[in-house]
Amino acid sequence: EAGVAQSPRYKIIEKRQSVAFWCNPISGHATLYWYQQILGQGPKLLIQFQNNGVVDDSQLPKDRFSAERLKGVDSTLKIQPAKLEDSAVYLCASSLESNQPQHFGDGTRLSIL
Amino acid sequence: AQSVTQPDIHITVSEGASLELRCNYSYGATPYLFWYVQSPGQGLQLLLKYFSGDTLVQGIKGFEAEFKRSQSSFNLRKPSVHWSDAAEYFCAVGPYGGATNKLIFGTGTLLAVQP
Repeated sequence: EAGVAQSPRYKIIEKRQSVAFWCNPISGHATLYWYQQILGQGPKLLIQFQNNGVVDDSQLPKDRFSAERLKGVDSTLKIQPAKLEDSAVYLCASSLESNQPQHFGDGTRLSIL
Repeated sequence: AQSVTQPDIHITVSEGASLELRCNYSYGATPYLFWYVQSPGQGLQLLLKYFSGDTLVQGIKGFEAEFKRSQSSFNLRKPSVHWSDAAEYFCAVGPYGGATNKLIFGTGTLLAVQP
């Protein structure tokens, strides 16, 4: 089966610009997650979707980050405006249901200048 | 507070030697425990998981982990390391069941393998 697809793989922007990441989960997976992985740290959950509804966004900086999964399949994560501390790898993961193991994409590496 | 501690930031072993990566956790409910591996520039791949049953669990690539409730530990082991095992290893803990599946990750252990 095809894995979790993410694009772009790399993105370089200047601070205060906006950026968007795209994720297509494994077919049939109802639950989708966005994680932020800062260099030298483990991934941190930003938001979890169950189909097209948000289950947990407690660690999403809502003043600048937004995410949607309108049709319950693919998802976009947006940052506007970007800050230097947003430099990280953004990982998307999906699972069949919320209590099943998560499968990760290769991530988008974001660099803020 | 919920947390995962991986006390070893970096470990170097010789090819063919045995390996043990340490993981300790603090979690209020019954934990669902995982080990993931991350190669450079790639996402995380699940090695193994544990929720209940036999406390020694087998995973892919010859890895195993042992759950010790009394020590709040879930250490990863491999009897003979291969050069291709060089990567970063993450321990994670999460809830089992319910709507949220929020995993809390440790900071990772970077494994280097000497020829």
